[in-house]
Amino acid sequence: AQSVTQPDIHITVSEGASLELRCNYSYGATPYLFWYVQSPGQGLQLLLKYFSGDTLVQGIKGFEAEFKRSQSSFNLRKPSVHWSDAAEYFCAVGAGTNAGKSTFGDGTTLTVKP
Amino acid sequence: GAGVSQSPRYKVAKRGQDVALRCDPISGHVSLFWYQQALGQGPEFLTYFQNEAQLDKSGLPSDRFFAERPEGSVSTLKIQRTQQEDSAVYLCASSLGGTGLNEQFFGPGTRLTVL
Repeated sequence: AQSVTQPDIHITVSEGASLELRCNYSYGATPYLFWYVQSPGQGLQLLLKYFSGDTLVQGIKGFEAEFKRSQSSFNLRKPSVHWSDAAEYFCAVGAGTNAGKSTFGDGTTLTVKP
Repeated sequence: GAGVSQSPRYKVAKRGQDVALRCDPISGHVSLFWYQQALGQGPEFLTYFQNEAQLDKSGLPSDRFFAERPEGSVSTLKIQRTQQEDSAVYLCASSLGGTGLNEQFFGPGTRLTVL
């Protein structure tokens, strides 16, 4: 069965600092990987996704993520965090043509200090 | 509409009551998903529709949970004889295509509290 681990429950960074949120997955074949952001009272919004090809994917709001098969990781990065990035971030893995049935991690809450 | 909408946004039910949660997907979207998100956890898959066909209901936690999408657009998630463990946010998502590889657009969720 597929699974996702987000080791960091809560991360605090200063505005303007760089950010990396960790995601490790378990899946037997090539995974379909996603990062979502959830702000209070808002629905989940897709930041970026990886299906195949270039292992470094660019997303919205200046985020990027790198797929590393050898480490079973798909970490999310941003070079300079803005106060508006404070939110909860979820990594998810989907399986093949049924990728809609995604398995989510438990999320990482990001706090941004002024 | 501009996005996925869900109603009600908040629902308080007494244990044993039946509830119905509504999802209006983006017009023309083929696929519709329901997820359950408990406090402090990520969303967990409940069920998936392609048009009016329920293709996967493996995530429904018990036979008290029932979902339908009779005309391939609006969907309703019904929970019968609610229990305290049903308290969660119920998320609906829709996507344009039918393969699941398309981006899912999520609604704001319905927060269900069972007393």
